[in-house]
Amino acid sequence: AAGVIQSPRHLIKEKRETATLKCYPIPRHDTVYWYQQGPGQDPQFLISFYEKMQSDKGSIPDRFSAQQFSDYHSELNMSSLELGDSALYFCASSQMRGTGREAFFGQGTRLTVV
Amino acid sequence: DAKTTQPPSMDCAEGRAANLPCNHSTISGNEYVYWYRQIHSQGPQYIIHGLKNNETNEMASLIITEDRKSSTLILPHATLRDTAVYYCIVRPPPLMDSNYQLIWGAGTKLIIKP
Repeated sequence: AAGVIQSPRHLIKEKRETATLKCYPIPRHDTVYWYQQGPGQDPQFLISFYEKMQSDKGSIPDRFSAQQFSDYHSELNMSSLELGDSALYFCASSQMRGTGREAFFGQGTRLTVV
Repeated sequence: DAKTTQPPSMDCAEGRAANLPCNHSTISGNEYVYWYRQIHSQGPQYIIHGLKNNETNEMASLIITEDRKSSTLILPHATLRDTAVYYCIVRPPPLMDSNYQLIWGAGTKLIIKP
C-alpha cells in the first residue's frame, strides 16, 4: 500500500540558510500534519492542513511557513535556519472523513544545521 | 499538555504478551484512545484506537476499562522488532473539533528481550 513520502530523507544546511521539506500524503487523504522531533524528544506538532487550508497551528516558529497544494502535497519552508532547528521532521496524513482519522507517518527528513 | 500517563519503560520476554498500561483519568466522554509506536528514529506507526469497546487488529488488542480512565495495549506475542517507544494519545472524535493535532506524552520504552 502507498505510504506517506517525504523528501529529502536527509538535509544538511548552514546557519541562516533556507530549507524546503516536501510531503506527499497517502492518496485520497485530505489532511497533512507536520511534526518536529528533536534528539531524545517526543514529536512536537507544528502545523496541519485540511483540504489545502491551515487547520491547526502548534509550536511552529515564525521563520517557518507551510502550505498544502492542489494535489494535496505539502511543503514546509524554513528560513534563517538555526542550530536548534536540527531535528527529524515528520509529515503525516489522514482522511478526515474516516471514522478513526488515524494519521500515517512518513519516514521523516533529518535536517542538520551546521 | 499530554492527557495520558504511561510508565517510562518496560521489559518483556520474546514470545510473551506485552501489556502496556495507560492512564487517562481526565478523558472526555467523546474522546478516543489512540496508540502509536516509534521504532528508533523512524516515523511513528499507528497501532490501534478505540472509544469504549475493546478492539483488536492484526497488530494488537486494546482493552479499555469500563470507566474509560485507563487502557492497556496488548501485543500478544512480542518479537524483537516490537522494541520501540509506545505512545498512548487521547484525542477528540472526527468531524467534531478543530484541533487536528496529536499531543504526545513521554511514552513507554518497551524493550523485548530474547
